[in-house]
Amino acid sequence: AQSVTQPDIHITVSEGASLELRCNYSYGATPYLFWYVQSPGQGLQLLLKYFSGDTLVQGIKGFEAEFKRSQSSFNLRKPSVHWSDAAEYFCAVGLRSSASKIIFGSGTRLSIRP
Amino acid sequence: GAVVSQHPSRVICKSGTSVKIECRSLDFQATTMFWYRQFPKQSLMLMATSNEGSKATYEQGVEKDKFLINHASLTLSTLTVTSAHPEDSSFYICSARLRQGDNYGYTFGSGTRLTVV
Repeated sequence: AQSVTQPDIHITVSEGASLELRCNYSYGATPYLFWYVQSPGQGLQLLLKYFSGDTLVQGIKGFEAEFKRSQSSFNLRKPSVHWSDAAEYFCAVGLRSSASKIIFGSGTRLSIRP
Repeated sequence: GAVVSQHPSRVICKSGTSVKIECRSLDFQATTMFWYRQFPKQSLMLMATSNEGSKATYEQGVEKDKFLINHASLTLSTLTVTSAHPEDSSFYICSARLRQGDNYGYTFGSGTRLTVV
């Protein structure tokens, strides 16, 4: 069955430190890959996406993610976090078809230590 | 571009009444929209896929008679929670799929907080 796994439920990092949020997927083929961020009580904002091509994807707010086919992973990174990055982060995947829908991982809550 | 407007952002209703939530694509046509439900501190669970001009496709375990979806135009999908009960209280989010070249992108509404009392 298709699945998305975010193994870290909650991560706390110090402001200015680097960040890596993990995402692994199980699909029959390379899917579309997304990272979204959600602030409390808000909708979702797209940080970045991977469709094809360069496996290192740059997104908004200084985030990047790397698609590693051999590991079925799409980890999100940021070299230096800011207090405003505290939020819930969701990895999502979708099939490459006209009938595609996307499913979400369980999310990782990011807290920032002053 | 590619903005999805969801309304209302918050609604409180009495048990047994129905509530309608609207999802509009403001600057593009969305033949396909999705409805998700999110419980506190949990992920988004896909409820149904809404296709313009046809019946919605519901995920397993979602009661189609309770969660009525209508997608009568290319810019509007509605979710009606019928005979609402306190256990229907949740955060509901819609999403629209749009074509981006040979690929697809997904943009989300800001969500609706439903409280049934």
